[in-house]
Amino acid sequence: DAKTTQPNSMESNEEEPVHLPCNHSTISGTDYIHWYRQLPSQGPEYVIHGLTSNVNNRMASLAIAEDRKSSTLILHRATLRDAAVYYCILRDHPANAGGTSYGKLTFGQGTILTVHP
Amino acid sequence: NAGVTQTPKFRVLKTGQSMTLLCAQDMNHEYMYWYRQDPGMGLRLIHYSVGEGTTAKGEVPDGYNVSRLKKQNFLLGLESAAPSQTSVYFCASSYLRDRVTYGYTFGSGTRLTVV
Repeated sequence: DAKTTQPNSMESNEEEPVHLPCNHSTISGTDYIHWYRQLPSQGPEYVIHGLTSNVNNRMASLAIAEDRKSSTLILHRATLRDAAVYYCILRDHPANAGGTSYGKLTFGQGTILTVHP
Repeated sequence: NAGVTQTPKFRVLKTGQSMTLLCAQDMNHEYMYWYRQDPGMGLRLIHYSVGEGTTAKGEVPDGYNVSRLKKQNFLLGLESAAPSQTSVYFCASSYLRDRVTYGYTFGSGTRLTVV
């Protein structure tokens, strides 16, 4: 699986935007970029995913570099409830190689986001 | 909408004891997974299942067994617990569409301590 690199930690103030970076220089053409987050004492939850174009949903926006070697998760107005570990994951995608993906999510260390009131 | 339910939420075992962790999902998902998470580490895949009656090994399968007798349930067994299996265990499920999996949903975890 292609590897991702994220900062160990980031800090933000409440109601300010947060930009969480992720580098994935070895991404293949068929890898989707997924973001999950894990709130304290909870299981991971899906945030957003994309392939080439920028994506928006109710939780966040995903900005993908033109060469796809990096991406940024954007929380437009951080709240205290956004304090979590954020994981950038490249999806195991052998479906495009003719097989069915069992869909393993490979988690790295993630970025610990602290939000100050 | 229960999603993915894990039982028990907490458990303390003595070395050598056995136990089974239960994962139940009500979303009719085909795929189910068991992960473990240790302090300072990301989640690591133990075993997974692509459908009823099928299971396969993940990254760290040693010391664990699994069964998927019903589509909605995925059981993780520890036959002889060891202190190294002290961890938080997460179950997840996903569905398959056009040969790609979507909709990953995780349970809230089981915190297991082996003394």
